[in-house]
Amino acid sequence: EAGVAQSPRYKIIEKRQSVAFWCNPISGHATLYWYQQILGQGPKLLIQFQNNGVVDDSQLPKDRFSAERLKGVDSTLKIQPAKLEDSAVYLCASSLVGQADTQYFGPGTRLTVL
Amino acid sequence: KQEVTQIPAALSVPEGENLVLNCSFTDSAIYNLQWFRQDPGKGLTSLLLIQSSQREQTSGRLNASLDKSSGRSTLYIAASQPGDSATYLCAVSPVLNYGQNFVFGPGTRLSVLP
Repeated sequence: EAGVAQSPRYKIIEKRQSVAFWCNPISGHATLYWYQQILGQGPKLLIQFQNNGVVDDSQLPKDRFSAERLKGVDSTLKIQPAKLEDSAVYLCASSLVGQADTQYFGPGTRLTVL
Repeated sequence: KQEVTQIPAALSVPEGENLVLNCSFTDSAIYNLQWFRQDPGKGLTSLLLIQSSQREQTSGRLNASLDKSSGRSTLYIAASQPGDSATYLCAVSPVLNYGQNFVFGPGTRLSVLP
């Protein structure tokens, strides 16, 4: 069974530039999560999708971050414009149904904002 | 607001020792608790998931317990091996509702010395 795929694995940009991350969840998983993990901290949930609808985006900085999950499969997370404090690893995870199920994580995208 | 802490922040033990990692959470109204393992530069791997109605879960050399009333969980690793070296994170999921989702602890960084 293929795992959660993410790209790119690494990205370096300058502040005020924009960047986009892509995630392909495990086939058949209805729920998709985007997390931000700052060095030395646990992951923080940014947004949760159930199929192509948003379940929770309470911690997503909506003035600069956006995410979509068209057709209820792949998802993209965008930052525009980026700030220095956005430097982090962005993790995508999926689960079969939702909160009751084990989450499977992708390898993450390490973003460095200069 | 749910807060999750983990003690110790780092731990170094010789191979073969049994060890305990601790996780504490402030709001006992949880749906489940999960323990994850994170290797450097990689995503998270789920180890054990404990539903709120359960007291413990076991998988191989790992045993996780949950005391919801006191807001504590422990992860017991028996006969530790160098391959167990990683960061271990716990995450709690609130009672099913929308608006707040999984909250992770900062992790315990474990080094098992040969």
